[in-house]
Amino acid sequence: DSGVTQTPKHLITATGQRVTLRCSPRSGDLSVYWYQQSLDQGLQFLIQYYNGEERAKGNILERFSAQQFPDLHSELNLSSLELGDSALYFCASSAWTSGGPRPTDTQYFGPGTRLTVL
Amino acid sequence: GQNIDQPTEMTATEGAIVQINCTYQTSGFNGLFWYQQHAGEAPTFLSYNVLDGLEEKGRFSSFLSRSKGYSYLLLKELQMKDSASYLCAPAGTALIFGKGTTLSVSS
Repeated sequence: DSGVTQTPKHLITATGQRVTLRCSPRSGDLSVYWYQQSLDQGLQFLIQYYNGEERAKGNILERFSAQQFPDLHSELNLSSLELGDSALYFCASSAWTSGGPRPTDTQYFGPGTRLTVL
Repeated sequence: GQNIDQPTEMTATEGAIVQINCTYQTSGFNGLFWYQQHAGEAPTFLSYNVLDGLEEKGRFSSFLSRSKGYSYLLLKELQMKDSASYLCAPAGTALIFGKGTTLSVSS
């Protein structure tokens, strides 16, 4: 158990709908990362937040958005869902480091949310 | 740009030794991670190398050559539970994961 929690574990929805995935980082971790993993694409970095602010952006679609709240939990919002959005969505967190987050910070992953779009 | 190359699949038998290679190109380099991921589960941290050479951690060892853009993960005394995907992730300006090598261990 990494200490990172994600809800829900499974989500089934229809095309065109909107869903929200939730992540609580390990106690004390300020950085939260979101990843999408589909069978053919591997683990794709979407976005990173650090202490409430967006820090880095990867291959995140405009239909997707995220935020990190003052209590450091984060939500990933996926809208106008398409069949191709079906995937495992992982959240990861990393510890506070002086000087801010770095690519070399070890990331600890949550159990993921499996999204199925029908 | 960034490019990571590792074999898609490997097979081995219990008790054997297997080496999973990874070559990479990154914008800047700040170290390399290896993660293990069982099917349908979260990736878990295995190792981090920032200097050249071999880091040993129990049955698992990781090697890095920065000048060659090359790393490998060595798994000894293979067990059935080692059947998983192994993800190479160089840290450049950001951490980028390779597609992973799926290792199947048979008895």
